[in-house]
Formats: sequence, structure tokens, C-alpha cells
Amino acid sequence: AQSVTQPDIHITVSEGASLELRCNYSYGATPYLFWYVQSPGQGLQLLLKYFSGDTLVQGIKGFEAEFKRSQSSFNLRKPSVHWSDAAEYFCAVGPLTGGGNKLTFGTGTQLKVEL
Amino acid sequence: EPEVTQTPSHQVTQMGQEVILRCVPISNHLYFYWYRQILGQKVEFLVSFYNNEISEKSEIFDDQFSVERPDGSNFTLKIRSTKLEDSAMYFCASKRTTYEQYFGPGTRLTVT
Repeated sequence: AQSVTQPDIHITVSEGASLELRCNYSYGATPYLFWYVQSPGQGLQLLLKYFSGDTLVQGIKGFEAEFKRSQSSFNLRKPSVHWSDAAEYFCAVGPLTGGGNKLTFGTGTQLKVEL
Repeated sequence: EPEVTQTPSHQVTQMGQEVILRCVPISNHLYFYWYRQILGQKVEFLVSFYNNEISEKSEIFDDQFSVERPDGSNFTLKIRSTKLEDSAMYFCASKRTTYEQYFGPGTRLTVT
């Protein structure tokens, strides 16, 4: 069964500092990986995705993520955090083919940005 | 830019009542989904729908739940007899043929 682990429930960083949010996945085949962001009271917005090719992917709002197959990881990074980045971040995994392509989400990491 | 929309944004209902949550997926999308997020927990898959039938459902999606695409634009989730534990945020999502699912803003369901 597929699963996603986000080991950090809460992270606090200072504005302007760099950020790395961790994501590890368990999946029997080549996964399709995503990061979504959820601001308070809002829906889920896709930040970036990976399914093949260059293992470093760029997303919106200055975020990037690196797929490391050997570590089953897909960590999200941002070189300089802005106060508006405070939100909850979810890593998700889905199959490349077959079925309904359901997504399995991690438990999320709540990011707090200190001014 | 096209968006998935959901109505209502917040629904309060009494235990045992039926509720229908509505979604308008992006117009040229072919796959439709419902997920839910109980407060403080992760987002969980409920059901996927393609070509007018359920393609996959989770164990959460029991006989109390049903989905329908009554016309060319709406996608609904019905809960026949709500329980307290059905209180959650319900997200609709859709995708065309690529793998990104686009999520709506959610409907917060409160069962009292």
C-alpha cells in the first residue's frame, strides 16, 4: 500500500531564511509526487509535481523539490521564505497509471514564519 | 483560469439528515474525485468517478455515501444519514488526462 510520511508536524522559520520540508513515500512502482499548500480556510493549491525527467522540479511561488529515488524522498525547499508562505503543506503520491489515480496524502507540515 | 467550485462553503446539519455537497469541476475534465479532511487530520481519498461510474472507492465510502454526475457540469456527493463523525472538510477535485488533480475550496460539513 502506498503511504506518505511527513515527519515534521510544525516548523517555524524566520522570514528570509531557507526552508526544507521533508517527505518520504512508500510506493511499489514509480510514483507521481506532488506538493500542495493549504492556507487557512482555503482549498489545496498545487505547488509542484514530479513524474519523470529532471529530479529537481520547480514550482510556483519560488518553491522547488528534489526527487531522490534511493531515499524515497521528495523534499520541498525554498531559499528565502516570505511571511505569506505561512500555511500547511501536504506531500502526496499517486500512481502513474491505472485505476482512479487516487492521491495519498501525508499528515501535513504546518509552517509558521516569524517576522 | 478555470477553477473547481464547491457549494455550499459551510453546511450544518443534524445527525441522521441527508446532505448533498455540490461541485462544478473544470469543464473539460474527465475524472472526478471526493476527498475529506477531518479537522487536524490528513486529507483522505473517498471516491473517484470516470465515464459515469465509480472507478475506485475507499473503505470510508460505505453505503451511506453516493456520487452522481446529474448533468454535464455538476458532480455531487450525497450522505444519506449523517453521523457526527462525518463532520469534516470535503474537497472535490478533477483532472483531464494529465495527472494533476485540481481541488476546489472545500465544503465544511458540521453534523450536530
